[in-house]
Amino acid sequence: KNQVEQSPQSLIILEGKNCTLQCNYTVSPFSNLRWYKQDTGRGPVSLTIMTFSENTKSNGRYTATLDADTKQSSLHITASQLSDSASYICVVSRSNDYKLSFGAGTTVTVRA
Amino acid sequence: NAGVTQTPKFQVLKTGQSMTLQCAQDMNHEYMSWYRQDPGMGLRLIHYSVGAGITDQGEVPNGYNVSRSTTEDFPLRLLSAAPSQTSVYFCASRGGGRRNEQFFGPGTRLTVL
Repeated sequence: KNQVEQSPQSLIILEGKNCTLQCNYTVSPFSNLRWYKQDTGRGPVSLTIMTFSENTKSNGRYTATLDADTKQSSLHITASQLSDSASYICVVSRSNDYKLSFGAGTTVTVRA
Repeated sequence: NAGVTQTPKFQVLKTGQSMTLQCAQDMNHEYMSWYRQDPGMGLRLIHYSVGAGITDQGEVPNGYNVSRSTTEDFPLRLLSAAPSQTSVYFCASRGGGRRNEQFFGPGTRLTVL
């Protein structure tokens, strides 16, 4: 079973609307949680990174939250744009080694 | 500063053929890794290296070899290609410290017939 679960698998929203993506993890011991954006045909690009003591981090219209007690994170996209159409990947790092655990991603499609 | 570069971008192989996927980074990062990405699954770690001359296996290493003779280069070799190795392959690099961002290359789309 994957240690990082993302939901929904995909979603479609209208341009200008907001949406929230979810990430639940069981990775332990926890070091940090990252959200990546992956455009079609490209490699993932980092949006935010949060450690245990950080419960929110923003990057422009992207806001990530972290609840380390419940092992949940969310990524909120505000006032979506067509360029937000991409796959969003949640990645959790353990504190005892370099390895990362990847979620399967949420595919977001923004329509005009 | 080109970041992480990968070649080729696309490749088609026949079962049993061998090939090398190239990866290079110009950020002087010690840590490099190879992942494969399949539909509906998260990226899975194939092999990684924490410095020149040091490599180790990830979670799906079978059928792949790596070497790290320099800090900059980290090639991935497919010894005898199989249809199950059809995938998109990403190379990544990261500097020291657990918070440091991991940079990904643009990917290589491999099809094995």
